[in-house]
Amino acid sequence: RKEVEQDPGPFNVPEGATVAFNCTYSNSASQSFFWYRQDCRKEPKLLMSVYSSGNEDGRFTAQLNRASQYISLLIRDSKLSDSATYLCVVNGTGGFKTIFGAGTRLFVKA
Amino acid sequence: DVKVTQSSRYLVKRTGEKVFLECVQDMDHENMFWYRQDPGLGLRLIYFSYDVKMKEKGDIPEGYSVSREKKERFSLILESASTNQTSMYLCASTATGTQPQHFGDGTRLSIL
Repeated sequence: RKEVEQDPGPFNVPEGATVAFNCTYSNSASQSFFWYRQDCRKEPKLLMSVYSSGNEDGRFTAQLNRASQYISLLIRDSKLSDSATYLCVVNGTGGFKTIFGAGTRLFVKA
Repeated sequence: DVKVTQSSRYLVKRTGEKVFLECVQDMDHENMFWYRQDPGLGLRLIYFSYDVKMKEKGDIPEGYSVSREKKERFSLILESASTNQTSMYLCASTATGTQPQHFGDGTRLSIL
């Protein structure tokens, strides 16, 4: 089992749609969680951290479920500019064991 | 904002050459990382460093070495470049092990 698993997609959605990505992780002792966005041929950029209480940043909402060991990202009112690959990232305990998911590709179409 | 700067966006080298990739960060971060990213394989950790002159192997260190002589600079060295090292190389830094990593723009390296 991979340490961090994501649905690779691609997700093809129309503008204005709501889309949700899920990510599962295997290490129950993981301490911190993030979503990154990566545009084609560019570097990954931090989209948002994920907190146990859930957090929102504009059209983006992130949730963490420690009991089930998954995190989610919800994008409301999708824009063409949201087209990218979304990476789920999990930091382990002790040291610097950061695990990047393989990413979920999103295409938003007019 | 954190700034991580990689020395080259694109680089073309020949097999057998010794190749240096440089990375500089301006946020006084303790920890720096080198990854490579290939289609279908995601990000793979080559080496990381948690302090000056300290280094740790990542998941795929073979064929690479690193140098961290100053806190802000982390260099990746391909000792004898081979065609299977053609890839996108990404440098990242972070203040602590639980904080997010910040990436440079990446270097697209082609080995001919």
